Amino acid sequence: GENVEQHPSTLSVQEGDSAVIKCTYSDSASNYFPWYKQELGKRPQLIIDIRSNVGEKKDQRIAVTLNKTAKHFSLHITETQPEDSAVYFCAAGYNNNDMRFGAGTRLTVKP
Amino acid sequence: DAGITQSPRHKVTETGTPVTLRCHQTENHRYMYWYRQDPGHGLRLIHYSYGVKDTDKGEVSDGYSVSRSKTEDFLLTLESATSSQTSVYFCAIQPDTNTEAFFGQGTRLTVV
Repeated sequence: GENVEQHPSTLSVQEGDSAVIKCTYSDSASNYFPWYKQELGKRPQLIIDIRSNVGEKKDQRIAVTLNKTAKHFSLHITETQPEDSAVYFCAAGYNNNDMRFGAGTRLTVKP
Repeated sequence: DAGITQSPRHKVTETGTPVTLRCHQTENHRYMYWYRQDPGHGLRLIHYSYGVKDTDKGEVSDGYSVSRSKTEDFLLTLESATSSQTSVYFCAIQPDTNTEAFFGQGTRLTVV
């Protein structure tokens, strides 16, 4: 089955700096790559997703890039704010229900 | 928030006892999932359902069973709870594959 590796496990940045989280996947057939944000004690919520026919997608301060050849995708957060502090999960799936998640990155934005 | 609720929200049970967690949705979504969340492991799929009475195993299904007799309800049963099943359990619903999954609030289960 699919295997997703996520790095780093923890990330600390100063407010206003950028944050980058990287994920690699093993199954070249995977074609859907969502990112979820989970605040402390809350449920995971989708923040952005990308499909394999697109190399990059942006939504305000958040962007995701996908490199199918290298089988990795990244989340970029610019102009970080304290409310961006959370755990972020990447995931990969292929037209099926067995979507695999990375282990998560705990992002801390220091004011 | 999407119409998805989990019950109970917290439960403490003894080793060897059966436990059932309930996920209820009001969105009429076809797909429903049960995940467990443990530190260092992210979210791992236990079982999923793609319709009434249609279920399949996920990555970590041993020791768990599920049932879906109605579109809106998806039950997760631990036949004989063990300490290794202490975790936070999330239910999720999805209208179709490769679309946004909406998660419930989670159930914190402690097996003592």
